[in-house]
Amino acid sequence: DAKTTQPTSMDCAEGRAANLPCNHSTISGNEYVYWYRQIHSQGPQYIIHGLKNNETNEMASLIITEDRKSSTLILPHATLRDTAVYYCIVRVAYSGAGSYQLTFGKGTKLSVIP
Amino acid sequence: AAGVIQSPRHLIKEKRETATLKCYPIPRHDTVYWYQQGPGQDPQFLISFYEKMQSDKGSIPDRFSAQQFSDYHSELNMSSLELGDSALYFCASSLGFSGNTIYFGEGSWLTVV
Repeated sequence: DAKTTQPTSMDCAEGRAANLPCNHSTISGNEYVYWYRQIHSQGPQYIIHGLKNNETNEMASLIITEDRKSSTLILPHATLRDTAVYYCIVRVAYSGAGSYQLTFGKGTKLSVIP
Repeated sequence: AAGVIQSPRHLIKEKRETATLKCYPIPRHDTVYWYQQGPGQDPQFLISFYEKMQSDKGSIPDRFSAQQFSDYHSELNMSSLELGDSALYFCASSLGFSGNTIYFGEGSWLTVV
């Protein structure tokens, strides 16, 4: 799986949008971008994923650049409960080789400030 | 909605003892993954199973073994426990093998003393 690069930490004011960037310059055509978050010592929580189109669900929006080398996760109205480590993970959709697990990198520690 | 169930949630064992963690995937999910997260570390992939067969192997120590049963639940067996095995162990599941979203349980805390 391609390696991702994320800022170590970010702050966001409560109620404002949180924009979390991720670089994945070596991503392959059959690899998706997944976002998970982990609130302190809880199980990683799935947020959203995409291939090349922008995606939105009830939790967040995912913006993927046209060349697919980077993406941004947007939490539209951050709350204190959004304080967590956010992981951007590139994962192959299907290669026939059988490696479909998620490989976690360092992630971004997002602190939402009152 | 039903989630991934892990048991026990907390476990304390002494060095050189054996521990078994259990994982019950989301209903109809046929793929199970195990992860280990040490203090201050990111989750590390250990092993996965698809349709009761081992499908991929990560940094799982030889002292650890796992299997998936006919009802798709999985067990992680850890023997000759060491202090360094103290960690949070996550199980995750997905439907099908290729690329479907993976959902995690809340984890099992193992403390080795």
